[in-house]
Amino acid sequence: KAGVTQTPRYLIKTRGQQVTLSCSPISGHRSVSWYQQTPGQGLQFLFEYFSETQRNKGNFPGRFSGRQFSNSRSEMNVSTLELGDSALYLCASSLGTGAGNTIYFGEGSWLTVV
Amino acid sequence: DQQVKQNSPSLSVQEGRISILNCDYTNSMFDYFLWYKKYPAEGPTFLISISSIKDKNEDGRFTVFLNKSAKHLSLHIVPSQPGDSAVYFCASGGTSYGKLTFGQGTILTVHP
Repeated sequence: KAGVTQTPRYLIKTRGQQVTLSCSPISGHRSVSWYQQTPGQGLQFLFEYFSETQRNKGNFPGRFSGRQFSNSRSEMNVSTLELGDSALYLCASSLGTGAGNTIYFGEGSWLTVV
Repeated sequence: DQQVKQNSPSLSVQEGRISILNCDYTNSMFDYFLWYKKYPAEGPTFLISISSIKDKNEDGRFTVFLNKSAKHLSLHIVPSQPGDSAVYFCASGGTSYGKLTFGQGTILTVHP
């Protein structure tokens, strides 16, 4: 059974540009969430989608957005990139939403902003 | 406000011995706890979880203990193997949809 798949794995962008990251959840999983990992802040929750609806959002500026498609695939977008957005962006999926649902992570997308 | 804390940044153990990784949390609303293992440049790999209605859960070499009154959980790895060397994160959930709150991680090194 394929795991959570993220593309691209690595990318370099310039300040002010925007970036779109893609995520395919584990087959059958309907919840997709996104996390940012940086050395200083650790793993931080960005947002969660279930059945194409954003159910929850972390404490990030509006430059960070996402969406989920009817096939449960998800994308996240960061506009007007800043140097501090350089991070590992992790997508995770689970069967359902709420407590008790184990969350499985993808390999991540490494974003470097220069 | 760090709601999940792993106070030991690193732990070093000998192969075959027990590894004990600790985690403390402050939010009494958390009701689901997970441990993940992470290698550099990879996503976290799920290891084991425990619900707040239990105080222990075992899966092979991995056992998680939960002490709700102390708001403390621990992961025991017995016996430890060199392949267990990685960063271990504890995570807590249950307060809101899809959101896990992570600790800062503990680097485990298992020496042959």
